[in-house]
Amino acid sequence: AQTVTQSQPEMSVQEAETVTLSCTYDTSENNYYLFWYKQPPSRQMILVIRQEAYKQQNATENRFSVNFQKAAKSFSLKISDSQLGDTAMYFCAFMKQGYDMRFGAGTRLTVKP
Amino acid sequence: DAGVIQSPRHEVTEMGQEVTLRCKPISGHDYLFWYRQTMMRGLELLIYFNNNVPIDDSGMPEDRFSAKMPNASFSTLKIQPSEPRDSAVYFCASSPLDYGGVYFGPGTRLTVT
Repeated sequence: AQTVTQSQPEMSVQEAETVTLSCTYDTSENNYYLFWYKQPPSRQMILVIRQEAYKQQNATENRFSVNFQKAAKSFSLKISDSQLGDTAMYFCAFMKQGYDMRFGAGTRLTVKP
Repeated sequence: DAGVIQSPRHEVTEMGQEVTLRCKPISGHDYLFWYRQTMMRGLELLIYFNNNVPIDDSGMPEDRFSAKMPNASFSTLKIQPSEPRDSAVYFCASSPLDYGGVYFGPGTRLTVT
């Protein structure tokens, strides 16, 4: 079974600074997909970024980027120029072929003014 | 383009009552998922469908829970009889065939008293 671990229950960062959220996963699959989701207080789950395991290049979406280390089974999220609106729960997710998506426990990020 | 639509957004019911949650996935998406979110257990996959056919229901907690997808644009999750421990936020989500990510509805907050 696949497991996803987010070891940082809570983090905080000053506005305009950079923060990195950690995620590790365990799988025997070779082809899979990784995602980061954001859940603000409105509780809506918002897809932030995705990474395909067969691609070595790290995904980037504006201020959000990932550091994907396949051998280490690590998938961290970097948020640059943090904004107050980035305050939310962030979930790392793993999806194998067949669409069985599993989530980590989440990291609560607070951006301070 | 409308996202995933769920109804109701909030449901308060008494123990023993039947509860039906409804979902309309994004048009053209082949996969539909039901997730449950609680503080204790995080995000749990309950069941998912591919082209209206249930693929994996191993996450359904017990026989009181049932899900149907009679057509490509509608799904229900039913709890009968409901119990206080069923109180949670229930998310419906859908996904296209290309592993682009799972898109979530706004969720239904269920409270069973």
